[in-house]
Amino acid sequence: AQSVTQLGSHVSVSEGALVLLRCNYSSSVPPYLFWYVQYPNQGLQLLLKYTTGATLVKGINGFEAEFKKSETSFHLTKPSAHMSDAAEYFCAVSEGSGQGAQKLVFGQGTRLTINP
Amino acid sequence: DAGVTQSPTHLIKTRGQQVTLRCSPKSGHDTVSWYQQALGQGPQFIFQYYEEEERQRGNFPDRFSGHQFPNYSSELNVNALLLGDSALYLCASSLSGAEQYFGPGTRLTVT
Repeated sequence: AQSVTQLGSHVSVSEGALVLLRCNYSSSVPPYLFWYVQYPNQGLQLLLKYTTGATLVKGINGFEAEFKKSETSFHLTKPSAHMSDAAEYFCAVSEGSGQGAQKLVFGQGTRLTINP
Repeated sequence: DAGVTQSPTHLIKTRGQQVTLRCSPKSGHDTVSWYQQALGQGPQFIFQYYEEEERQRGNFPDRFSGHQFPNYSSELNVNALLLGDSALYLCASSLSGAEQYFGPGTRLTVT
């Protein structure tokens, strides 16, 4: 069975500092990996995804993530935090597309706080 | 282009009652998935509909059922509501691929 572990339920950084949100996954097949962001009282917005190919993936709002198969990790980074980045972030894994979209398995989430 | 829409936005029900939540997928999408997100938790997969049939199901009891209509919209039904069913219910749509687009959710409160 697939699973996702997000290390750190809360992360706090200063504005302008590096953001690093950690995600480790478990999957018996080559995974598809995703990062979603959730602002208060809203649904989930896709930040970026890894399916195949280049292991460094760039997403929206300056975020990027690197797929490291040997470490079963997919950590999310942003060089310089902005106040608007404060939100809940979820890492998710699926078994790939196959016949239509496969279910997503989510981590518990990491709440990112930005200090002025 | 309208994204995924869900109705209602908020709902308050009493324990033992039944509830129906609705979802309209993003234009052109044919697959709808439902997730339950309890407070402070990540979303949990309930089930997925494709071509009007349930294709995958998560670890949820039979009290949770669904339907997909010919226009690809979907309903989630929950019978015999329990206090523990209080959560944000998210609908996601996709087109035969791995990328799922989420709606804003329906906040269900069971009292």
